[in-house]
Amino acid sequence: DIQMTQSPSSLSASVGDIVTVTCRASQYIASFLNWYQQQPGKAPKLLIYGASTLQGGVPSRFSGSGSGTDFTLSITSLQPEDSATYYCQQTYTTPYTFGLGTKLEIK
Amino acid sequence: QLQLQESGPGLVKPSETLSLICTVSGGSIGSGTYYWGWIRQSPGKGLEWIGVIYGSGRTDYNPSLKSRVTISVDTSKNHFSLMLSSVTAADTAVYYCARGDRRYSGSYLSAEYFQYWGQGALVTVSS
Repeated sequence: DIQMTQSPSSLSASVGDIVTVTCRASQYIASFLNWYQQQPGKAPKLLIYGASTLQGGVPSRFSGSGSGTDFTLSITSLQPEDSATYYCQQTYTTPYTFGLGTKLEIK
Repeated sequence: QLQLQESGPGLVKPSETLSLICTVSGGSIGSGTYYWGWIRQSPGKGLEWIGVIYGSGRTDYNPSLKSRVTISVDTSKNHFSLMLSSVTAADTAVYYCARGDRRYSGSYLSAEYFQYWGQGALVTVSS
């Protein structure tokens, strides 16, 4: 299986800040990388697919980049509602695997 | 708007079979190039891809669960189901159903993702 390693596992930031979450795949996955946001008690919500394509309806302060094995999720102008856990997922090879998540707290 | 809803017993005894149904509304399960899948989430293992079923009926399961998992579709009822046999406490989790989507760049597959998810069903394995 392809292992997805996210960092950091948690972070705390203030409203208006810029935050970056990284995801590293244990092997090449081209751009088959998705990012999801999960609020407590809710299902994951798709933010970005194909490493950098913003899902419809997702605010433009979210962006994704990377290819191959290293990927980044960036959130600019952080808002209170961005408090959540963020997961990356590779869909290059089954079983499609997820990172362990990055918990973002808004100060 | 497409909606998915999981249903099934919330408590299953060890060694028995976990059965869940995902009912799809707002769209036909048999149309389009979509596929349908199950993902689970437990505190100890995070999000785990269980498997999927394609429009052709072909299935693809996580090798770690393959010997115990069956995913099937009933197009007449517009739902798909998950069966997981010989469960143990390690199978206690929130189970999500989801629709798999694909994007193409020309003739090349460029992305796959789960856009639509059910709300999740907590299944506890305990005697």
